[in-house]
Amino acid sequence: SAVISQKPSRDICQRGTSLTIQCQVDSQVTMMFWYRQQPGQSLTLIATANQGSEATYESGFVIDKFPISRPNLTFSTLTVSNMSPEDSSIYLCSVEETISGANVLTFGAGSRLTVL
Amino acid sequence: GEDVEQSLFLSVREGDSSVINCTYTDSSSTYLYWYKQEPGAGLQLLTYIFSNMDMKQDQRLTVLLNKKDKHLSLRIADTQTGDSAIYFCAGSSGGSYIPTFGRGTSLIVHP
Repeated sequence: SAVISQKPSRDICQRGTSLTIQCQVDSQVTMMFWYRQQPGQSLTLIATANQGSEATYESGFVIDKFPISRPNLTFSTLTVSNMSPEDSSIYLCSVEETISGANVLTFGAGSRLTVL
Repeated sequence: GEDVEQSLFLSVREGDSSVINCTYTDSSSTYLYWYKQEPGAGLQLLTYIFSNMDMKQDQRLTVLLNKKDKHLSLRIADTQTGDSAIYFCAGSSGGSYIPTFGRGTSLIVHP
């Protein structure tokens, strides 16, 4: 399966600042997904990042707050803008793969952000 | 859309079997998944089952699917301390391959 590297693995940020998370995949993939995992909560899909087009955002998430880049088929970034303590979460990058005929998601290790 | 529910905590003794349960709402779910998240790590796919199957076994893992009741379970035989983690149930509904995740069940294995 694909190997996904995320940077940073964790960070502590000040309120009002922005942070960009990088996601690198070891193979070319069509779609990359960004998820948020708030403490004690499930995973929530933020957006789908397609190469060569604007990201598709889920309800409740907007481009101004979570701008996404997808410059090529192996790389994507997610920026968390103007952060507040409510943005403290784990942010996960994932890609879709077909394994033994099933469509599955493979995840990076996540980026744990704490906003003070 | 799909809604997935699972209990939040399960505590078992080392060597016992663990059974983690999950219910889902969308009867058209094509795939149902179990993911494992160890502390400080991302989600790792453990196993999955097609909606046309009732059971799938993979070494210590057994997945049971009751489509009538929309109930999915994961049984871990001979649970070890290394199995301590959060286990997420997920289902993909309709034509979407993007799964909806439950809140995760925290499995604690004690000696």
